[in-house]
Amino acid sequence: EAGVAQSPRYKIIEKRQSVAFWCNPISGHATLYWYQQILGQGPKLLIQFQNNGVVDDSQLPKDRFSAERLKGVDSTLKIQPAKLEDSAVYLCASSLQGGAGNSPLHFGNGTRLTVT
Amino acid sequence: GNSVTQMEGPVTLSEEAFLTINCTYTATGYPSLFWYVQYPGEGLQLLLKATKADDKGSNKGFEATYRKETTSFHLEKGSVQVSDSAVYFCALLPGNQFYFGTGTSLTVIP
Repeated sequence: EAGVAQSPRYKIIEKRQSVAFWCNPISGHATLYWYQQILGQGPKLLIQFQNNGVVDDSQLPKDRFSAERLKGVDSTLKIQPAKLEDSAVYLCASSLQGGAGNSPLHFGNGTRLTVT
Repeated sequence: GNSVTQMEGPVTLSEEAFLTINCTYTATGYPSLFWYVQYPGEGLQLLLKATKADDKGSNKGFEATYRKETTSFHLEKGSVQVSDSAVYFCALLPGNQFYFGTGTSLTVIP
């Protein structure tokens, strides 16, 4: 099966600029996640979608981050305006049925964002 | 609350050495436990999982046993290879959200 697709792979922007990331999950996966992975740390959940509804966005900095999943398939994550501390790898993941022990996460290769 | 604690790295081993990476957790209820591996420049990949106490997950020579009495899920491999060099993450699923450890970097030298 095709894996989780993300683009772009790398992005360099200046602080206060905006940036958007795109994710296409594995076909049929109802649950989609965006994680932020800062160098040397484990992934931190930003937002979780079930189909096109938000399940958990408690750790999403909503003053600058936004995400959508129209039609319950593809998703975009946007940062506007970016700050230096947003430099990280942004990982998209999907699962067949979120929250089930037999439904592990499948990750994309991530987008490495550098804010200068 | 829910959390995962992994042994700190980096870990450097010679080829064919025995590997243990410790993982302990705090959780309510009966969580599922996972090990993910991340190779350079890639996303995380599922390595193995266990969904209930005393289950043993195994894959590619790696194994881990879900120990509820010690709240642990240590990763082991009897003989590591250079290709095992990566970062390993222990993860917890107590409900509908995954919790990840900080990762343990492993380098295997020939």
